[in-house]
Amino acid sequence: QVTLKESGPVLVKPTETLTLTCTVSGFSLSNPRMGVSWIRQPPGKALEWLAHIFSNDEKSYSTSLKSRLTISKDTSKSQVVLTMTNMDPVDTATYYCARHDYASGSLPDYWGQGALVTVSS
Amino acid sequence: QSVLTQPPSASGTPGQRVTISCSGSSSNIGSNSVNWYQQLPGTAPKLLIYSNNQRPSGVPDRFSGSKSGTSASLAISGLQSEDEADYYCASWDDSLNGPWVFGGGTKLTVL
Repeated sequence: QVTLKESGPVLVKPTETLTLTCTVSGFSLSNPRMGVSWIRQPPGKALEWLAHIFSNDEKSYSTSLKSRLTISKDTSKSQVVLTMTNMDPVDTATYYCARHDYASGSLPDYWGQGALVTVSS
Repeated sequence: QSVLTQPPSASGTPGQRVTISCSGSSSNIGSNSVNWYQQLPGTAPKLLIYSNNQRPSGVPDRFSGSKSGTSASLAISGLQSEDEADYYCASWDDSLNGPWVFGGGTKLTVL
């Protein structure tokens, strides 16, 4: 059974750095068919892709947020970590991690439950 | 402003057939496959259709997808009250927009 679960702070202050962890089970981060993305959704708004890490540790970032994002993984812990610097109230959103199985298309299939992050002083 | 364009809302009565469109360009839908996701209120998106028209195990065959040129569509037949949700299309994009882009979402109301 494939599961992903996001964890991290519920509230961050403006200018702080956000660190979110995605813990996965049911698949291995070293499987060449698998990758993980972070995607966010501001309240009442659409989904926005942020970053992706491939099994070979190659990374890809949203062009508009690239300077603020870092994605990494710890295969032994089955965890993918996203850091976002210089947080602003507009970054308030539910942050999801999602799995990609490249054998059945390049898009996300399984999603975590999401973690709501509020940016406020 | 989302890269893929969807109507903000759609509606239908129980038993009806409704379709939701997703418009893109040659760099995304025109050259790559499309997924559709269903997001029930307060929950995470769930994969509904992958690779344009494939249903994952467990998704009723009332849901179907199609693609033509730079547009895609999701059709829901035999509409049920539990289908009331937000629906998102997504695709790979070969331009600087990508690599993964989403539509703005369509809120489906079952009247």
